[in-house]
Amino acid sequence: AQSVTQLGSHVSVSEGALVLLRCNYSSSVPPYLFWYVQYPNQGLQLLLKYTSAATLVKGINGFEAEFKKSETSFHLTKPSAHMSDAAEYFCAVRYSSASKIIFGSGTRLSIRP
Amino acid sequence: SQTIHQWPATLVQPVGSPLSLECTVEGTSNPNLYWYRQAAGRGLQLLFYSVGIGQISSEVPQNLSASRPQDRQFILSSKKLLLSDSGFYLCAWSPRGTGATYGYTFGSGTRLTVV
Repeated sequence: AQSVTQLGSHVSVSEGALVLLRCNYSSSVPPYLFWYVQYPNQGLQLLLKYTSAATLVKGINGFEAEFKKSETSFHLTKPSAHMSDAAEYFCAVRYSSASKIIFGSGTRLSIRP
Repeated sequence: SQTIHQWPATLVQPVGSPLSLECTVEGTSNPNLYWYRQAAGRGLQLLFYSVGIGQISSEVPQNLSASRPQDRQFILSSKKLLLSDSGFYLCAWSPRGTGATYGYTFGSGTRLTVV
């Protein structure tokens, strides 16, 4: 079955440190991939998406993600964490226009001062 | 530009009372519409989706129902709320027939507490 896995339900980093949130998909066919961010008591906001145009995708707020077909991964990174990055992050996949988006279980990012 | 509205933002309802949450989309036609729920400490659970007026697909059998009386209006309802219906409810939309590269756009959510 097609699925998406986010490793680590909770990640904590110090302010200024590298942020790495992991996402792996299970499919022999590369999907379209998304990262969403959710701040407390708010809806999900699209951070970035991979649509096969380029393997390194840059998004809002300094985040970027790299699609690696050989590893079936789409990890989210940010070189230097900011306190305002504290939120829940969801990785998601979609395989066709007729299919629904499949969301991962989410990773809560905490930033230590 | 397209916008999605969800209301109310917060709601406290007693057990056994009815529920009606409304979601509307502006600036687009024929959208696909979705209702999700987030229970405390859990991920997103797709409840219903709709590809057109009167067309509702249920993902999880439960105490809730959905309706789409107009093209850009999606309503989540319950006749009698249970404590387990508490959670954060999110409406979302996506353009129909435009390819898989489009993600979903989410509303701001409704925090429902059943007491």
